Amino acid sequence: GAVVSQHPSWVICKSGTSVKIECRSLDFQATTMFWYRQFPKQSLMLMATSNEGSKATYEQGVEKDKFLINHASLTLSTLTVTSAHPEDSSFYICSATSGGVEAFFGQGTRLTVV
Amino acid sequence: DAKTTQPPSMDCAEGRAANLPCNHSTISGNEYVYWYRQIHSQGPQYIIHGLKNNETNEMASLIITEDRKSSTLILPHATLRDTAVYYCIVRASLGGSARQLTFGSGTQLTVLP
Repeated sequence: GAVVSQHPSWVICKSGTSVKIECRSLDFQATTMFWYRQFPKQSLMLMATSNEGSKATYEQGVEKDKFLINHASLTLSTLTVTSAHPEDSSFYICSATSGGVEAFFGQGTRLTVV
Repeated sequence: DAKTTQPPSMDCAEGRAANLPCNHSTISGNEYVYWYRQIHSQGPQYIIHGLKNNETNEMASLIITEDRKSSTLILPHATLRDTAVYYCIVRASLGGSARQLTFGSGTQLTVLP
């Protein structure tokens, strides 16, 4: 299957700082990327849908000014958690699709805010 | 997208077949059944999908009932590395349109040595 690479795999940051997470489709062009968040022992929750060249669509309850998404190319989307706080500590996962029936997921980023 | 119901957990002996059920009684005609799994602290991995016919690939088999209201994912010879949360997802495939996957709580499969 297609490969989606997420970087970094884990990050620890101080409260109040910003963290950028990258999601790359390595062998296909991803017209759409999705960002999910997963808290311990819970399922994945969709945060936003990112389309190349246009503004991301955020799910209800997700602050667009806090979670900045940029999808500047067909192979890269970034999620920036601004002014991170301990409650933002979570497992962030991206997925990418070229419009086919399958969605491919990155390996996830474990964010810990201290 | 139709709602799915899965048992919260199942155990399976190593080397035996693991049969994971999923109920999707409100599925509509254009909705596919997808299965993904998530090994601890990793991103979900696609396993298989189907519309109404049974499907098989190198990872698993998918059996969909004739009325399409339920399905079973079969891992023919489970190994310890198959221990994961398995998600059954129903979603319409709209040709070139990309749609997100909505994850339920899934089934925690534990393969026992």
